[in-house]
Amino acid sequence: EVQLVDSGGGLVQPGGSLRLSCAASRLIFSSYWMTWVRQAPGKGLEWVATLNQDGSERYYVDSVKGRFTISRDNTKNSLYLQMNSLRAEDTAVYYCARVHHYYDSGSHHYYFEYWGQGTLVTVSS
Amino acid sequence: DIQMTQSPSSLSASVGDRVTITCRASQSISTYLNWYQQKPGKAPKLLIYAASSLQSGVPSRFSGSGSGTDFTLTISSLQPEDFATYYCQQSYSTPMYTFGQGTKLEIK
Repeated sequence: EVQLVDSGGGLVQPGGSLRLSCAASRLIFSSYWMTWVRQAPGKGLEWVATLNQDGSERYYVDSVKGRFTISRDNTKNSLYLQMNSLRAEDTAVYYCARVHHYYDSGSHHYYFEYWGQGTLVTVSS
Repeated sequence: DIQMTQSPSSLSASVGDRVTITCRASQSISTYLNWYQQKPGKAPKLLIYAASSLQSGVPSRFSGSGSGTDFTLTISSLQPEDFATYYCQQSYSTPMYTFGQGTKLEIK
């Protein structure tokens, strides 16, 4: 069974930093785009960042640009999210997910097939 | 940016009911639309991809339809385990994505 394990969450003061990790097992990690999604308490899902297979292409939601960095180490089957200048509004459960690519009749479809269990980040003084 | 709007935001239904949830995109997204189910304290689970393709292992009572800007998720006969929150997601603007705000399905 494919497994993604999120870790690294915790309590941090506003303006502080935190690094999240996502460890992948039993899947071909290096062949897939990976992504982070977050969910504030009692709120919906929000896409945060996506990274391509070799780490050369990064995409972010506007609210985290310049503060968060997504990266990966394919030798360790691991995905990371470095979060700097944290704000109260960054408080959320953060999930990593594997992006699956499906090609059908000239169309390329992408969806989040496997998810980690989530790790809670709380930004508060 | 593409905005996704789900309706209703919450829904009460009984076991055995047929339920439909709607998702509307702010611009045409062809069939680049996925549906997820989330239960409290758990990660989301993929149900439907490419608007109407059922993910492996998902019961056939779940179905999706639509293209362009209007999409629906239908549960043909609600089971107790189906009470959860459902999210649509557009992948037209991949590798950037947008989710709908969610529809909470509760027991009547």
